[in-house]
Amino acid sequence: AQSVTQLDSQVPVFEEAPVELRCNYSSSVSVYLFWYVQYPNQGLQLLLKYLSGSTLVESINGFEAEFNKSQTSFHLRKPSVHISDTAEYFCAVSGWGNEKLTFGTGTRLTIIP
Amino acid sequence: NAGVTQTPKFQVLKTGQSMTLQCAQDMNHEYMSWYRQDPGMGLRLIHYSVGAGITDQGEVPNGYNVSRSTTEDFPLRLLSAAPSQTSVYFCASSPPGGDTQYFGPGTRLTVL
Repeated sequence: AQSVTQLDSQVPVFEEAPVELRCNYSSSVSVYLFWYVQYPNQGLQLLLKYLSGSTLVESINGFEAEFNKSQTSFHLRKPSVHISDTAEYFCAVSGWGNEKLTFGTGTRLTIIP
Repeated sequence: NAGVTQTPKFQVLKTGQSMTLQCAQDMNHEYMSWYRQDPGMGLRLIHYSVGAGITDQGEVPNGYNVSRSTTEDFPLRLLSAAPSQTSVYFCASSPPGGDTQYFGPGTRLTVL
């Protein structure tokens, strides 16, 4: 079984400032890790994922996350946020080759102009 | 490709009524699942299916039924709606191996 902890339920950040959204997981097996984003009144979209290989993964809109096995973390970062990044961000985990996803409780990112 | 579609978008029920939330995908994915999203609780897995004719329970299955007669469709049935089932429901599908799940736009259900 897996679990995901997102300690920050809300993160306010000034526009053009950096941000880090924290995610820690626990699992007894090797994992895949995901960040999903939910824009207001929309469904979930995959932002980025770690399956294997390089521990640093990037999205097309400037976010990155680093898989840290020793700290069981997969924190999401962006060096400079924009108003359009306002959304709720969910970290999720699954076992290798297992489609069942376990989600964290989400972090609401609010960008302050 | 339409991806994952869900109907209806919104629904209001009275306690005790039954209804079916529809989910369809046109990507030929074997794996499909239903989640509910509640404030402060993230998404919780209700039921899932690894292929036509095969379903299993997730984390919060009570009060819900599913069936999978085709690869494309995975309806979720509420047998006797309760206010605790007020939530936003998402359907998702995934190709084998679990490296990406595709989500539908959601159904917002209110039970009075």
